[in-house]
Amino acid sequence: EVQLVQSGAEVKKPGESLKISCKGSGYSFINYWIGWVRQMPGKGLEWMGIIYPGDSDTRYSPSFQGQVTISADKSISTAYLQWSSLKASDTAMYYCARSPLIRGYKYGHFDYWGQGTLVTVSS
Amino acid sequence: EIVLTQSPGTLSLSPGERATLSCRASQSVSSSYLAWYQQKPGQAPRLLIYGASSRATGIPDRFSGSGSGTDFTLTISRLEPEDFAVYYCQQYGSSPPDTFGPGTKVDIK
Repeated sequence: EVQLVQSGAEVKKPGESLKISCKGSGYSFINYWIGWVRQMPGKGLEWMGIIYPGDSDTRYSPSFQGQVTISADKSISTAYLQWSSLKASDTAMYYCARSPLIRGYKYGHFDYWGQGTLVTVSS
Repeated sequence: EIVLTQSPGTLSLSPGERATLSCRASQSVSSSYLAWYQQKPGQAPRLLIYGASSRATGIPDRFSGSGSGTDFTLTISRLEPEDFAVYYCQQYGSSPPDTFGPGTKVDIK
């Protein structure tokens, strides 16, 4: 059974750093892309970026480039999303999701999702 | 960046009725790389349709997707009580970034 299990909820202060995780199981972790999606309170879905754990190829939305870092450790089948200096506007639910390869290497739709990690940033 | 517009914003229907949701793109979506997701309160999104018209594993056949170019449609042939939720479209033909539409809420009339 394919599963993506995310780390637990976090409460942080502005300016603090944070790294949240997403552990994949039940499939070959290095052969699928893992993406991150933000959902601010009461709002829609925003595509943040994606990584291919097989070679660490990473792509970012221009809206999130420089604001977050996506990484992966294929030895433990885990992807990460990190911030170096959180802002109150980073308060949101963050989902990781798996994307199959399309036409050889391209990423695409998200077929499995993690349960979400709620990040709250407040002074 | 391709911008997706979904209409209507809210669709109020009764169980058993047919739901037709629209997703329009600001530019043509290559290779019909368009997906639909369902999200219920407090839950992660669930993939319904990919490639504009292919149903994901385990999705009932009352859900169907159609369209190409800039206009796409998700149809729920007969609404079941568990279908009342928010539905998002996503394009992944021109990326990064992939983009999501703002969502259509299907609620009980």
